[in-house]
Amino acid sequence: AQKITQTQPGMFVQEKEAVTLDCTYDTSDPSYGLFWYKQPSSGEMIFLIYQGSYDQQNATEGRYSLNFQKARKSANLVISASQLGDSAMYFCAMREPSYSTLTFGKGTMLLVSP
Amino acid sequence: DVKVTQSSRYLVKRTGEKVFLECVQDMDHENMFWYRQDPGLGLRLIYFSYDVKMKEKGDIPEGYSVSREKKERFSLILESASTNQTSMYLCASSPGLAVYNEQFFGPGTRLTVL
Repeated sequence: AQKITQTQPGMFVQEKEAVTLDCTYDTSDPSYGLFWYKQPSSGEMIFLIYQGSYDQQNATEGRYSLNFQKARKSANLVISASQLGDSAMYFCAMREPSYSTLTFGKGTMLLVSP
Repeated sequence: DVKVTQSSRYLVKRTGEKVFLECVQDMDHENMFWYRQDPGLGLRLIYFSYDVKMKEKGDIPEGYSVSREKKERFSLILESASTNQTSMYLCASSPGLAVYNEQFFGPGTRLTVL
């Protein structure tokens, strides 16, 4: 079974609008971390935001926020006021204490149009 | 700022050649990782290393080996390159293996095997 599921292969949004990228996860560990990375066409993975399973509040970093719904095992990324430079591939990832590395979803391609 | 560098951005090799992909990080991180990225499959872990001369197989180690002789350098070796190893290879490092430790990525190497 997939540990990280990103159901949207692609998303389109107009500049200045908000967009939500979906991510659901599966783990039996009570402690885990959730990450979002951005990958522009240049290829480098850029860390955006982190949410810990015990964090009481949803994480925010500038225009990025994480809509964390623990009971539903979802960790959706919200980008407010989209910019053309937000066009990229976005990956959701999870880190569990029982596994040494990150487990990635298959990604969502976001295209921002003028 | 953490910097992870990879020896080549683009590489073209012939089937059967021995290929070395080099990765260097400058933040004294204990842990280093090699992933390959293919469209529709996300990132898949090939190998990781948690200390000098220590390594562990990831999800897809077949056809690859690694070397970590110095803390800052982690090499991925394709003993006899094959066309199905054409892919994007990403190196990452991490200061620890706790759930909150993000991974810092290099720019990636796009390898084509002809």
